[in-house]
Amino acid sequence: GQNIDQPTEMTATEGAIVQINCTYQTSGFNGLFWYQQHAGEAPTFLSYNVLDGLEEKGRFSSFLSRSKGYSYLLLKELQMKDSASYLCAAMDSNYQLIWGAGTKLIIKP
Amino acid sequence: DGGITQSPKYLFRKEGQNVTLSCEQNLNHDAMYWYRQDPGQGLRLIYYSQIVNDFQKGDIAEGYSVSREKKESFPLTVTSAQKNPTAFYLCASSTPGLDYNEQFFGPGTRLTVL
Repeated sequence: GQNIDQPTEMTATEGAIVQINCTYQTSGFNGLFWYQQHAGEAPTFLSYNVLDGLEEKGRFSSFLSRSKGYSYLLLKELQMKDSASYLCAAMDSNYQLIWGAGTKLIIKP
Repeated sequence: DGGITQSPKYLFRKEGQNVTLSCEQNLNHDAMYWYRQDPGQGLRLIYYSQIVNDFQKGDIAEGYSVSREKKESFPLTVTSAQKNPTAFYLCASSTPGLDYNEQFFGPGTRLTVL
């Protein structure tokens, strides 16, 4: 079956760094997405990886290892506004997204 | 401004009634999707459509129906057959082959059955 696993909740301190892990199992693979979702709002696109390695975008970076079925999202210089849920989604061979349950990130001052 | 609109933002329905959720996009995207999100769970695909006049069932289509008569519009009807319809409903669109094929989301409709 197809499955995405990510931690349910994480807590970090303002100004620190946090890494949110995601493991996936899909029928075929056409890339890994990370979305941010604030409570009661729509998800917004953060990053996409299809090749192994690290993609950096400002304070956010995303890493992919296809052989391990593993990705992580790295958030640096955490700000209070980064408090949100972070959704990992893998695209399968039919170009459909398989979604994880999301990781709720709590930032403390 | 291009984007996806969903209306209404909040919707209350009595048990046994059908209700239709609106989704419109002006991004000229070919594909559109409906998801359901429950607390503590990931997005679950209800229906999707890759071209006009064609749509496919997702993982949880029972109790729902859709139509795709225009490229811009993909309304979702929640029927009385859906046993537990209270949820947050998200519409999304994308164009395969364009950039990352990422999905763009509307603001969502929160449906509550009384």
